[in-house]
Amino acid sequence: NAGVMQNPRHLVRRRGQEARLRCSPMKGHSHVYWYRQLPEEGLKFMVYLQKENIIDESGMPKERFSAEFPKEGPSILRIQQVVRGDSAAYFCASSPGGAAEKLFFGSGTQLSVL
Amino acid sequence: GENVEQHPSTLSVQEGDSAVIKCTYSDSASNYFPWYKQELGKGPQLIIDIRSNVGEKKDQRIAVTLNKTAKHFSLHITETQPEDSAVYFCAASTGFGNEKLTFGTGTRLTIIP
Repeated sequence: NAGVMQNPRHLVRRRGQEARLRCSPMKGHSHVYWYRQLPEEGLKFMVYLQKENIIDESGMPKERFSAEFPKEGPSILRIQQVVRGDSAAYFCASSPGGAAEKLFFGSGTQLSVL
Repeated sequence: GENVEQHPSTLSVQEGDSAVIKCTYSDSASNYFPWYKQELGKGPQLIIDIRSNVGEKKDQRIAVTLNKTAKHFSLHITETQPEDSAVYFCAASTGFGNEKLTFGTGTRLTIIP
């Protein structure tokens, strides 16, 4: 059973461009979480999605950031008009859902904004 | 919202000795407390977790204790080995359907051979 798959592993964008980060959850997992990690800091919650629904986006900036988890295909975190402050490691985690479930993290996407 | 504090930020121990990392949390509704190990260039890996109806849990060389009254929990690693070197994060959540985690700031553990 493959783990949580994230791609690309590294993404370089110039200021003003768009960044698309993809996350394929573990097989059988219907819940996806996105976290952001700045250097030497802990992970900060961004958004929690189930298939076709955003459940909690309280940690995601209101502008330029969006997330989706379609019925088919991976979850996508989209950052429009990137700025240098968006440079960070973005981690996706998945769980099967329901009560008392554990999160399993992917290896992350390192976004660098030039 | 929840706030999790973690200490120390760095910890060096001699191989074979024990390591202890401590966390405190603010939200009394939190009832799920996992610990993650993150190696360089990788995502966090769950190593042990505890729920608020349990005071202590052990898995081989790793143990976690929880004091709900004082709102703190600790990770204990005994007989440390070089492969234990990594960054360790504690986290807390209210659990049960939404495992949104609030993480501590991490402890960089170095095992000295």
